Amino acid sequence: DGGITQSPKYLFRKEGQNVTLSCEQNLNHDAMYWYRQDPGQGLRLIYYSQIVNDFQKGDIAEGYSVSREKKESFPLTVTSAQKNPTAFYLCASSIKRGTGESPLHFGNGTRLTVT
Amino acid sequence: GQQVMQIPQYQHVQEGEDFTTYCNSSTTLSNIQWYKQRPGGHPVFLIQLVKSGEVKKQKRLTFQFGEAKKNSSLHITATQTTDVGTYFCAGPQGGGSNYKLTFGKGTLLTVNP
Repeated sequence: DGGITQSPKYLFRKEGQNVTLSCEQNLNHDAMYWYRQDPGQGLRLIYYSQIVNDFQKGDIAEGYSVSREKKESFPLTVTSAQKNPTAFYLCASSIKRGTGESPLHFGNGTRLTVT
Repeated sequence: GQQVMQIPQYQHVQEGEDFTTYCNSSTTLSNIQWYKQRPGGHPVFLIQLVKSGEVKKQKRLTFQFGEAKKNSSLHITATQTTDVGTYFCAGPQGGGSNYKLTFGKGTLLTVNP
């Protein structure tokens, strides 16, 4: 079955450490996204990529970095510069259409706890 | 930038009662999308509305897109415990190579059996 795989489901890190969250999709989607979810805050966009080797900052990119070396993969690194990294991180993908208005398919998410 | 506002933030109902969540955008939207997130799960796409005044139904769920394409609603008739979750609306920003979705903060629905 096609889908988006995020790993691990739960991740624990010490403050000051960088951590990379994995996101892989086999849907052959061009576009991929990273969202952060905090209680009562909805989904906030961190980074997104419409094509390999290209990505754009979202609304809350500070303290995060991404790469898009392969169509299938869009890893997110949470750096030590991110002030409040503890959150639920969701990766998503979509077909790139001419109008750019296709729905998102989400992975199961990674819950990151930094202490 | 574009903002998408959703009300109410929480709604608790008795099983069998109806439920409505409302979504308002600060700008005109080309389309609006609705997602459902079950507790502990991830958002799942429900529907996309494109036309002004459009109404779509999925069993007990009715989705509407306003005439001005700046607001939308989701109405659930006779709620069931399986309806529990957070309902999000989302509107697109940009287009082409700069396409992204802005989500509302969601409405958490709980249903008392």
